[in-house]
Amino acid sequence: GQNIDQPTEMTATEGAIVQINCTYQTSGFNGLFWYQQHAGEAPTFLSYNVLDGLEEKGRFSSFLSRSKGYSYLLLKELQMKDSASYLCAVPNRDDKIIFGKGTRLHILP
Amino acid sequence: DVKVTQSSRYLVKRTGEKVFLECVQDMDHENMFWYRQDPGLGLRLIYFSYDVKMKEKGDIPEGYSVSREKKERFSLILESASTNQTSMYLCASSDLEGRVSNQPQHFGDGTRLSIL
Repeated sequence: GQNIDQPTEMTATEGAIVQINCTYQTSGFNGLFWYQQHAGEAPTFLSYNVLDGLEEKGRFSSFLSRSKGYSYLLLKELQMKDSASYLCAVPNRDDKIIFGKGTRLHILP
Repeated sequence: DVKVTQSSRYLVKRTGEKVFLECVQDMDHENMFWYRQDPGLGLRLIYFSYDVKMKEKGDIPEGYSVSREKKERFSLILESASTNQTSMYLCASSDLEGRVSNQPQHFGDGTRLSIL
């Protein structure tokens, strides 16, 4: 079956670094997505990893380990505007994308 | 920039009504999707479409139908609205390059639907 786990909520301080973890179980891996969703708004695409390793994109980086079924999103130099939910998503064997329930990140001044 | 437009941000309907939610995208994307998002349950796929006049059931299609008569437009229909269909509905589109599942989805702003 398909299963995605990520923490429900996290809190971090402005200027700090936070790591949001995602573990998944899927048959036939074909990449992992991260999306950001501010309250009351649409999810927006952040990153897509298909190979193992770290991909950096400005203040945000995403890591993937296919053998461990594990990914994380790393946010550096946190800003108040980073307060949002972060969704991990993987395709299933029917080629549909399954979303995790999201991690709500709170940034404290 | 990709623009996915949903016809209403907020909608209130009564139990038993037939409800239409419209979605239009302007980037000539082949793939379109309808999700609902509920607290504690996350995003769940209702229906999707790879092409005009083509539709596939997602994980929770019961009580819904869809229509894709034109490439840019994907409509979600609640045949007879019920209170358990009160939710945030999100439309998305993605390009077709190789497999559908490795393309990022672009979402509309959502329709918050209340069924009384």
